[in-house]
Amino acid sequence: NAGVMQNPRHLVRRRGQEARLRCSPMKGHSHVYWYRQLPEEGLKFMVYLQKENIIDESGMPKERFSAEFPKEGPSILRIQQVVRGDSAAYFCASSPRLDNEQFFGPGTRLTVL
Amino acid sequence: QKEVEQNSGPLSVPEGAIASLNCTYSDRGSQSFFWYRQYSGKSPELIMSIYSNGDKEDGRFTAQLNKASQYVSLLIRDSQPSDSATYLCAVIGGTSGSRLTFGEGTQLTVNP
Repeated sequence: NAGVMQNPRHLVRRRGQEARLRCSPMKGHSHVYWYRQLPEEGLKFMVYLQKENIIDESGMPKERFSAEFPKEGPSILRIQQVVRGDSAAYFCASSPRLDNEQFFGPGTRLTVL
Repeated sequence: QKEVEQNSGPLSVPEGAIASLNCTYSDRGSQSFFWYRQYSGKSPELIMSIYSNGDKEDGRFTAQLNKASQYVSLLIRDSQPSDSATYLCAVIGGTSGSRLTFGEGTQLTVNP
């Protein structure tokens, strides 16, 4: 059973460009979470999605950030007009049930030049 | 007050010793508790989950939960150099809903 998959593993963008991060949950998991880890800081929740629905986006910056989990295909975290402060590791986690164990993907390390 | 607090590190123990990691949480409505291990430059790896008061053992790891004291701990017996990592305490429930709220982590070094 494949684990949570994320791609790309590393992404370099220049200021002002767009970043698209993809996450495929574990088979049978319908709950997807995105977390961000800034350099030398802890993991912070960003958004929780189920298929075609955003359940909780309370941790997501109000501007430039958006997320989706379409009926078909991976979940996408989109960052528009990236700034240097967006440089971080972005992790996706999936869970089979609400309030259950969450399993993390390998992460996407975003570097903004 | 931080939602999840872990004992300040770094923590250094000799090989073969018991490593004790502690965590307190502020939201009494929290229902699910987890310990993750994160090696430098890697993603968090789930090592223990605990949902009810008492102890839960899995191999060399024992998680302890005391909801009255809002306290969770992780004991690592017979510590190995490969256990050297940052250990993250995380909780679900209460006002945080179904998202994980993490502590800042405790860096553990096991010396050969």
